[in-house]
Amino acid sequence: QKEVEQNSGPLSVPEGAIASLNCTYSDRGSQSFFWYRQYSGKSPELIMSIYSNGDKEDGRFTAQLNKASQYVSLLIRDSQPSDSATYLCAVNGGTDKLIFGTGTRLQVFP
Amino acid sequence: SQTIHQWPATLVQPVGSPLSLECTVEGTSNPNLYWYRQAAGRGLQLLFYSVGIGQISSEVPQNLSASRPQDRQFILSSKKLLLSDSGFYLCAWSPGPNGDYNYGYTFGSGTRLTVV
Repeated sequence: QKEVEQNSGPLSVPEGAIASLNCTYSDRGSQSFFWYRQYSGKSPELIMSIYSNGDKEDGRFTAQLNKASQYVSLLIRDSQPSDSATYLCAVNGGTDKLIFGTGTRLQVFP
Repeated sequence: SQTIHQWPATLVQPVGSPLSLECTVEGTSNPNLYWYRQAAGRGLQLLFYSVGIGQISSEVPQNLSASRPQDRQFILSSKKLLLSDSGFYLCAWSPGPNGDYNYGYTFGSGTRLTVV
């Protein structure tokens, strides 16, 4: 059974701090990795994708991938209250189905 | 650009009533289509997915069924709703078999179903 694990949180960080969200996956053959943001009552929105080991930066977001450790993370710099949401990690093992984690709830307080 | 439409946004239905939720995608052809359910405070549960017209794979045996009568139309149905069918139903699409698995999914805006 392919699995994606995330700490459910909540992860509470003060405004302006770096929020670090982590995800591990079980399928060593996984090829692509995604982070979705889901505001309460809304549908998930794709915010980052990463395919190669290392870091990928997009604005305040940085995705980090370590395939040897089967670990993917999302860093949010200068966290804002508007970043408060649930962040879902998703992994593709080369099929037409993504495997989603259950999400980490992030709270950014002023 | 591609867009995905899902309706209705909210629905309150009595136990035992039928259900039909519709999802359509524009701006692409031969997409993979997915139905997910998210119970309150829970993760995403894949219900059905389809790689082509009339091709439906069921992930979880339950009170629901899905159909794909047209290339870009995906319908979720039930003949008799149960209380446990309440939840947030999400349709999603990704590029089809000749597309890019690295693309990820794009979700519709969702239908919040309450069975009373």
